[in-house]
Amino acid sequence: AQTVTQSQPEMSVQEAETVTLSCTYDTSENNYYLFWYKQPPSRQMILVIRQEAYKQQNATENRFSVNFQKAAKSFSLKISDSQLGDTAMYFCAFMNPSYNQGGKLIFGQGTELSVKP
Amino acid sequence: DSGVTQTPKHLITATGQRVTLRCSPRSGDLSVYWYQQSLDQGLQFLIQYYNGEERAKGNILERFSAQQFPDLHSELNLSSLELGDSALYFCASSVGGGWEQFFGPGTRLTVL
Repeated sequence: AQTVTQSQPEMSVQEAETVTLSCTYDTSENNYYLFWYKQPPSRQMILVIRQEAYKQQNATENRFSVNFQKAAKSFSLKISDSQLGDTAMYFCAFMNPSYNQGGKLIFGQGTELSVKP
Repeated sequence: DSGVTQTPKHLITATGQRVTLRCSPRSGDLSVYWYQQSLDQGLQFLIQYYNGEERAKGNILERFSAQQFPDLHSELNLSSLELGDSALYFCASSVGGGWEQFFGPGTRLTVL
């Protein structure tokens, strides 16, 4: 069974600084997707970034980028130029897109990020 | 706004009761997923439907059931409710299995 582990329950960063959130996962599959979702105090789940396992290039979305290390089964999220609006819970998630798995997301425990002015 | 709607936003009920949560997916999405978020269990996948058929099942209790209707909206039925069922229930939708999922705002269920 696949598992996702986020070892940092809480982190804080000063506004405009850079912060990296860690995520490791365990799977025997070769084809899978990894995601970071953000959950602000409103509780809405917002997709931040997505990485396909077959792609060697790390995904980037504006201030958000990932460091995907397939052999190490590591998938960290880097937030550059942190903003107050980045304050949220961040969840790492794994997906096996095969038919019988249906594309369900397996989530880590979350990292609560506070951006301080 | 993700385009996924869920009703009601909040639900307060008593132990032993039955409730129905409703979800309308984004226009064009055929897959609907249900997730439960609680303090002790975290975010857990419950069940997925694709174009009306059950595709995958997670740790969904026997007291819970779901279905997806021909117009693609989905309902999650929770019966014989217990205090531990209090949680935030999310619906998500995607074009198909293996695609990006977009989440609704959730239904907050409180069982007293």
